[in-house]
Amino acid sequence: DIVMTQSPESLAVSLGERATINCKSGRSLLYSSNNKNYLAWYQQKPGQSPKLLIYWASSRESGVPDRFSGSGSGTDFTLTISSLQAEDVAIYYCQQYYSTPPWTFGQGTKVEI
Amino acid sequence: DVQLVESGGALVQPGGSLRLSCAASGFTVSDTYMSWLRQAPGKGLEWVSVIYAGGSTYYADFVKGRFTISRDNSKNTLSLQMNRLVIEDTAVYYCAKDRLSGGLFDYWGQGTLVTVSS
Repeated sequence: DIVMTQSPESLAVSLGERATINCKSGRSLLYSSNNKNYLAWYQQKPGQSPKLLIYWASSRESGVPDRFSGSGSGTDFTLTISSLQAEDVAIYYCQQYYSTPPWTFGQGTKVEI
Repeated sequence: DVQLVESGGALVQPGGSLRLSCAASGFTVSDTYMSWLRQAPGKGLEWVSVIYAGGSTYYADFVKGRFTISRDNSKNTLSLQMNRLVIEDTAVYYCAKDRLSGGLFDYWGQGTLVTVSS
């Protein structure tokens, strides 16, 4: 199974400041035939289901504010919230969807104000 | 609009069985991959099982041989039959639609709580 490791476990950021979350995979998620990284980011607000934010490591899901961005390739990835808003308080998970199941998640990063 | 609504969660004793259902609307479950995922109280997300459009099924090791995923095309529903439940199966169970037919979950239900306890 591909192990996904996120850091930090939690972070507190002032409103309007930048939040950065890291995700490292146990093997490369870059598929050479199409040059795509099979890495997604999800947001889970308190009491809600997870919501897809980013896929292919850097493609923003429709309707997701552009303050959210994803970057990285291979085994190292980053989710950046450029200017934290109050509604961004949530737990963020990275997830690999490389190849066949099992598909695995990082342990989550809690973002607070 | 795509909607997923889970049901069937309950309190069950260790060793017992439970069947979860997920009613889908806005798309056809047999046209894509459909998965069950779970989240233990205060913990992270775990993928549990998938049924491919073609009908193939796969399971996480921790449920293999105990859980069975299926779908009813006539009702457009997804199910998860859970047998020989253990305390560690306590979690909110989500059904999720797969965008790519490859593990990218673009729609999730609201979840249903399964509690395994004596």
